[in-house]
Amino acid sequence: EAGVAQSPRYKIIEKRQSVAFWCNPISGHATLYWYQQILGQGPKLLIQFQNNGVVDDSQLPKDRFSAERLKGVDSTLKIQPAKLEDSAVYLCASSLGKTGEYFGPGTRLTVT
Amino acid sequence: QKEVEQNSGPLSVPEGAIASLNCTYSDRGSQSFFWYRQYSGKSPELIMFIYSNGDKEDGRFTAQLNKASQYVSLLIRDSQPSDSATYLCAVNFSGYSTLTFGKGTMLLVSP
Repeated sequence: EAGVAQSPRYKIIEKRQSVAFWCNPISGHATLYWYQQILGQGPKLLIQFQNNGVVDDSQLPKDRFSAERLKGVDSTLKIQPAKLEDSAVYLCASSLGKTGEYFGPGTRLTVT
Repeated sequence: QKEVEQNSGPLSVPEGAIASLNCTYSDRGSQSFFWYRQYSGKSPELIMFIYSNGDKEDGRFTAQLNKASQYVSLLIRDSQPSDSATYLCAVNFSGYSTLTFGKGTMLLVSP
């Protein structure tokens, strides 16, 4: 069974630029999550999708972050414009039921 | 307030010893609890989950849950240098469908 796929793996941008990340969950997993993990911290949830609907986006900075999952499978997360404090690893995860979330390899974003 | 507390460590144990990692959480009504392992530069990997009070064993790993004390722990028996990683505790708080993660405890197993 293929795991969660993410791209790109690394991205370096200047502040005020925009960036987009892509995620393809494990086949059949209806729930998809985007997390932000800053060095030394645990993952922080940004948004949760159930199929193509948003379940929880309470911690998503909506003035600069957006996410979509139009067909209920893959998803994109966008940051526009980026700030220095957005430098982090962006993790995508998916789940089937309540037995845990499975993470992709992540995208390491550096904003200069 | 959803809070998951873990000692940041590092917790240092010799090879072959039992490593004990602890986690406390803020809501007594929480239902499910997860342990993840994260190697440096890698993404979190699910080790095990526990829902009921008591112990749950999976190979060298044992999760222990005490809902009255709002406490969950992970024991690693016969620790190996390859177990050296950060261990993240995650809680599914009641009324929420998402996980809240602690900051993690770094474990160092010396040969």
